[in-house]
Amino acid sequence: EPEVTQTPSHQVTQMGQEVILRCVPISNHLYFYWYRQILGQKVEFLVSFYNNEISEKSEIFDDQFSVERPDGSNFTLKIRSTKLEDSAMYFCASSDGGIAANVLTFGAGSRLTVL
Amino acid sequence: QKEVEQDPGPLSVPEGAIVSLNCTYSNSAFQYFMWYRQYSRKGPELLMYTYSSGNKEDGRFTAQVDKSSKYISLFIRDSQPSDSATYLCAMSAKAAGNKLTFGGGTRVLVKP
Repeated sequence: EPEVTQTPSHQVTQMGQEVILRCVPISNHLYFYWYRQILGQKVEFLVSFYNNEISEKSEIFDDQFSVERPDGSNFTLKIRSTKLEDSAMYFCASSDGGIAANVLTFGAGSRLTVL
Repeated sequence: QKEVEQDPGPLSVPEGAIVSLNCTYSNSAFQYFMWYRQYSRKGPELLMYTYSSGNKEDGRFTAQVDKSSKYISLFIRDSQPSDSATYLCAMSAKAAGNKLTFGGGTRVLVKP
């Protein structure tokens, strides 16, 4: 069964460092997303991406965050200068078009720990 | 008022029992309703997807949506220990590329 692959599974970084989280969405999917889940809290939407541009972003997704689909297969989330409160599980997801556009397949997540 | 509310549990049931989960929401624009299952330290996995009001059944799972009451439910029949997980409801106002708004999740434990 097709799956969304995320790397790294766990990253530890110092506050103020840049972090890039990588995702390989399902190959024929058109919509791409990043969500995050702080330990013990809700899964929160960060950003959606379609046709090589951001289609929607949340208030969390400020200037410290950026997304890119550099080569048609990878989808990355960059945090420019990490803060302690960025520590969370980051989930990449993708969905097909049409009636399945709301059917998101999530990856296993990348755990980010900021010290 | 929170946009989506879900009892955090934990909900403990004996094997074979029916598990009943629900969410309430405040945003009347929500039209698409989903239930996800999440095992510890894993990504959410889609269980059920419904549009607007009504019922949908898939194997042991039944999802119900009552838009007039802003209330959705998930029932799991003949529960198994492998159903032990956190169940998340999620909702969206639009069909495509739109954010999902999640509930906080209900932790379910099915005891053998």
